[in-house]
Amino acid sequence: DTAVSQTPKYLVTQMGNDKSIKCEQNLGHDTMYWYKQDSKKFLKIMFSYNNKELIINETVPNRFSPKSPDKAHLNLHINSLELGDSAVYFCASSRYGGETQYFGPGTRLLVL
Amino acid sequence: AQSVTQLGSHVSVSEGALVLLRCNYSSSVPPYLFWYVQYPNQGLQLLLKYTSAATLVKGINGFEAEFKKSETSFHLTKPSAHMSDAAEYFCAVSAKAAGNKLTFGGGTRVLVKP
Repeated sequence: DTAVSQTPKYLVTQMGNDKSIKCEQNLGHDTMYWYKQDSKKFLKIMFSYNNKELIINETVPNRFSPKSPDKAHLNLHINSLELGDSAVYFCASSRYGGETQYFGPGTRLLVL
Repeated sequence: AQSVTQLGSHVSVSEGALVLLRCNYSSSVPPYLFWYVQYPNQGLQLLLKYTSAATLVKGINGFEAEFKKSETSFHLTKPSAHMSDAAEYFCAVSAKAAGNKLTFGGGTRVLVKP
């Protein structure tokens, strides 16, 4: 059983399109995160949710909107995709107040 | 504010030789420190973590790291490299006061030569 899963694994799309990435965790964690890894492998946090409530919102264009329907799911919706959005997006989860985050396999997004 | 610097974006070692990956951090509050490994086209796997208990931390796959507050360092070592250790390694810092968000270093790619 995969602890943190993401779909799709690969996403190729055209500029201007809208796309969503889904994340689910079966670890019973309360807190979930989205990270972006750019082409140089640099990782940076985007958002964090605790029990469906947004607690971290880094400097991210408002074209990116996270949605948490329940504490086991955190989806990422991206409007009007741009070339610079091409990256690998990782979802992670942890217990609330817990320091260890567990990562999903990543979603590789390519915007043409 | 917190930050992480990993010295050396690429490290090449011979199979059986010592692996040493350097990490220095900056944090205004007591930090949690982590090493993650990323194999090609895969996610991040936790190698080990420091959370204010023992300063010498042992992790998976024979890796260990030592927290040195005076040097603000958390270097990762493995006595004998194996071919399967070839991967990207990330040092990261977090703190409860910062919402436990992970701040990563730039990563170090390890190449293991036979």
